Amino acid sequence: GAVVSQHPSWVICKSGTSVKIECRSLDFQATTMFWYRQFPKQSLMLMATSNEGSKATYEQGVEKDKFLINHASLTLSTLTVTSAHPEDSSFYICSAGGAKNSYEQYFGPGTRLTVT
Amino acid sequence: ELKVEQNPLFLSMQEGKNYTIYCNYSTTSDRLYWYRQDPGKSLESLFVLLSNGAVKQEGRLMASLDTKARLSTLHITAAVHDLSATYFCVFNTGNQFYFGTGTSLTVIP
Repeated sequence: GAVVSQHPSWVICKSGTSVKIECRSLDFQATTMFWYRQFPKQSLMLMATSNEGSKATYEQGVEKDKFLINHASLTLSTLTVTSAHPEDSSFYICSAGGAKNSYEQYFGPGTRLTVT
Repeated sequence: ELKVEQNPLFLSMQEGKNYTIYCNYSTTSDRLYWYRQDPGKSLESLFVLLSNGAVKQEGRLMASLDTKARLSTLHITAAVHDLSATYFCVFNTGNQFYFGTGTSLTVIP
């Protein structure tokens, strides 16, 4: 089946620094990638939709200057949390679509971000 | 406004019992998904339901879709501890995916 990886799995950073999270589709070309964040005991919240070669579409309330998304190729999207603060601590999950079964989205394993 | 409502939010049940999780959505859907999430993990795809009347079964889980009622159900048969997890329904229209609130299931020995 289609596999999506994320790197790193977890990261601890100091307040004010920036953190980059990578999302890769390993065995298919992902025309669309989605970025979600999840707080403890809550559902996933869509942050942005990313299409290869174009600017990401951000959901209402998500600061595009703070959460920089780059979808440089059909197999890689990155999320950079700039000037991170403790309230940005969360579980970030990406998903990718465009595999053989075009209606499926495949989820990465997630990245646990803790900002101290 | 698009809404996906799951019921119940929390569920504790004994091993061997049956139960149904309900998922209501507020508009027409192209397809309906069910996912499982274990603590600290990402989502695992369980079922994709593509059309009205679709029913899929895998082990002790069975999912169904009624597009006229805008309702999907996830039925658990003879629950076992390994089924303890959070279950999400997600409906999809076009390129958009909308998540339910999740149902946290605990199966008690």
